[in-house]
Amino acid sequence: KQEVTQIPAALSVPEGENLVLNCSFTDSAIYNLQWFRQDPGKGLTSLLLIQSSQREQTSGRLNASLDKSSGRSTLYIAASQPGDSATYLCAVLVYGNNRLAFGKGNQVVVIP
Amino acid sequence: SQTIHQWPATLVQPVGSPLSLECTVEGTSNPNLYWYRQAAGRGLQLLFYSVGIGQISSEVPQNLSASRPQDRQFILSSKKLLLSDSGFYLCAWHPIGTGHNSPLHFGNGTRLTVT
Repeated sequence: KQEVTQIPAALSVPEGENLVLNCSFTDSAIYNLQWFRQDPGKGLTSLLLIQSSQREQTSGRLNASLDKSSGRSTLYIAASQPGDSATYLCAVLVYGNNRLAFGKGNQVVVIP
Repeated sequence: SQTIHQWPATLVQPVGSPLSLECTVEGTSNPNLYWYRQAAGRGLQLLFYSVGIGQISSEVPQNLSASRPQDRQFILSSKKLLLSDSGFYLCAWHPIGTGHNSPLHFGNGTRLTVT
């Protein structure tokens, strides 16, 4: 069974610092890895999707890397802003059953 | 553009009462549809998914059920709610035929409190 882990569960950073969020998964048989953002009381918003054959994806200040063989992904947010405060979840699309397995998320607070 | 609507946004129901949550998608045809539940400290749990009208797959045995009466409508129901049914319910959709290149798109969720 695929297990997705995100550590730490919560973190705070001062505004302007780069954010580094880590995601690990136990089974490398995946189609893709997806990063989502969730604001309090809201649904999930897709940030980046990395195909299993890709090493990274970029969108604006966001960059996500994928090392499938070691079961790891990192989300970088450059020059963090208070508006980046949210919970960030990663999920992997499991090969063979087409189900997304989610981590529990990193709750981020960017301090002005 | 495609949009997804979920209602109600919040709901407080007594134990033993029925439940009906509705989700509709606009701007696309024949989407794959999903119901997730997010409980505090437990992450997202897939409850049901559907690849077409009347086609429902259940992931977790429980007192909930789902139906898809129309192409872009997905309904989550219960005949008798339990305290353990409290949580944040999210509907999501995925375009069919895009393989594994498209992300999952979520609604804004329904906060259900069973008292």
